[in-house]
Amino acid sequence: ELKVEQNPLFLSMQEGKNYTIYCNYSTTSDRLYWYRQDPGKSLESLFVLLSNGAVKQEGRLMASLDTKARLSTLHITAAVHDLSATYFCAVDRMNTGNQFYFGTGTSLTVIP
Amino acid sequence: EAQVTQNPRYLITVTGKKLTVTCSQNMNHEYMSWYRQDPGLGLRQIYYSMNVEVTDKGDVPEGYKVSRKEKRNFPLILESPSPNQTSLYFCASSFWESSTDTQYFGPGTRLTVL
Repeated sequence: ELKVEQNPLFLSMQEGKNYTIYCNYSTTSDRLYWYRQDPGKSLESLFVLLSNGAVKQEGRLMASLDTKARLSTLHITAAVHDLSATYFCAVDRMNTGNQFYFGTGTSLTVIP
Repeated sequence: EAQVTQNPRYLITVTGKKLTVTCSQNMNHEYMSWYRQDPGLGLRQIYYSMNVEVTDKGDVPEGYKVSRKEKRNFPLILESPSPNQTSLYFCASSFWESSTDTQYFGPGTRLTVL
């Protein structure tokens, strides 16, 4: 069974600061995803990472993937209050079962 | 507008009373899936479907049934709900062959089983 671990689970940071959320997964996967969930809302896709060394950026968020270390990071640059949300990473195994596995989520609060 | 819809959005029921949560997508996606979200556990996959008449178990299928008779619909059936199925449920869909696509999630169904 593939396990996905995120840390930290809770993150409180001041506006303007930088921080990184980590996502480790236990076995080989095909694709890695990052999602955002606002309180009481559904999940919104942020990034899809396909290969080792992949890096994607959107605004103040940058995601990277190291398949050898089975690690993805979501880096937040100069945080703003609007980034307060829960962030999930997820992996799938397209060739071995087509299942998706989600991390437990990181609840981010950006304090003005 | 491209979307995944779920109904009902909120449901309170009693133990043992069969219920169905509907899911529909208008994006012609092959892949559809159901998840439950519980505090501290993230999202866990219940069932998924690669296409019409093709369904398979996810991580937590016990107590649930699904069917995929049409490409756009993927209902989740609880034949005899129990309190431990109280949760927030999400339906999602995506293309599968496209390596760059991601899952699109419905708005969620909050289920309480008394």
